Amino acid sequence: DSGVTQTPKHLITATGQRVTLRCSPRSGDLSVYWYQQSLDQGLQFLIQYYNGEERAKGNILERFSAQQFPDLHSELNLSSLELGDSALYFCASSVAGGVGETQYFGPGTRLLVL
Amino acid sequence: AQSVAQPEDQVNVAEGNPLTVKCTYSVSGNPYLFWYVQYPNRGLQFLLKYITGDNLVKGSYGFEAEFNKSQTSFHLKKPSALVSDSALYFCAVTPWAGNMLTFGGGTRLMVKP
Repeated sequence: DSGVTQTPKHLITATGQRVTLRCSPRSGDLSVYWYQQSLDQGLQFLIQYYNGEERAKGNILERFSAQQFPDLHSELNLSSLELGDSALYFCASSVAGGVGETQYFGPGTRLLVL
Repeated sequence: AQSVAQPEDQVNVAEGNPLTVKCTYSVSGNPYLFWYVQYPNRGLQFLLKYITGDNLVKGSYGFEAEFNKSQTSFHLKKPSALVSDSALYFCAVTPWAGNMLTFGGGTRLMVKP
């Protein structure tokens, strides 16, 4: 158990809908990362937050947004969902988001868009 | 931009034999390299990382990895494979500025009794 929690574990929804994925980092970690794992794209970095502020952005679609709250938990919002958004979404956390820090991953949220 | 290649989709090895999972990378500046393992229906588990120093890095569950700067490789090794090592292994790199992981495509390790 990495100490990173994600809810829900599974999510089934329809195209055009909006969902929110939630992540709680390990105790003491200030930085949160979101990754998407899909069969065709592999594992891709989406976005990083540090202590409530966006720090880095990767291949995140404009339909997707995220935020980190004062209690350090993070939410990833996915809107206008398409079939291709079906994937496993991982959250990871590290102490301060610095270069070379180990990221610890949560169990993931499996999203299925029908 | 950085990239990682894992040339083998699958590696098959007999239990008790040594195993190697290959990884090559491309990055500007000094590389920060990682290995993660993913078991079915589980998240990614950290195995080991190379930041600087000794080229042979030891990690969890008896795994180690050898950093080779001239060959831009970071192969994962274990002297004696276990059936329970069967899983999906990912090599990853972060750039010299920032901590976002760029992953390879993954290698499925199958250890047969």
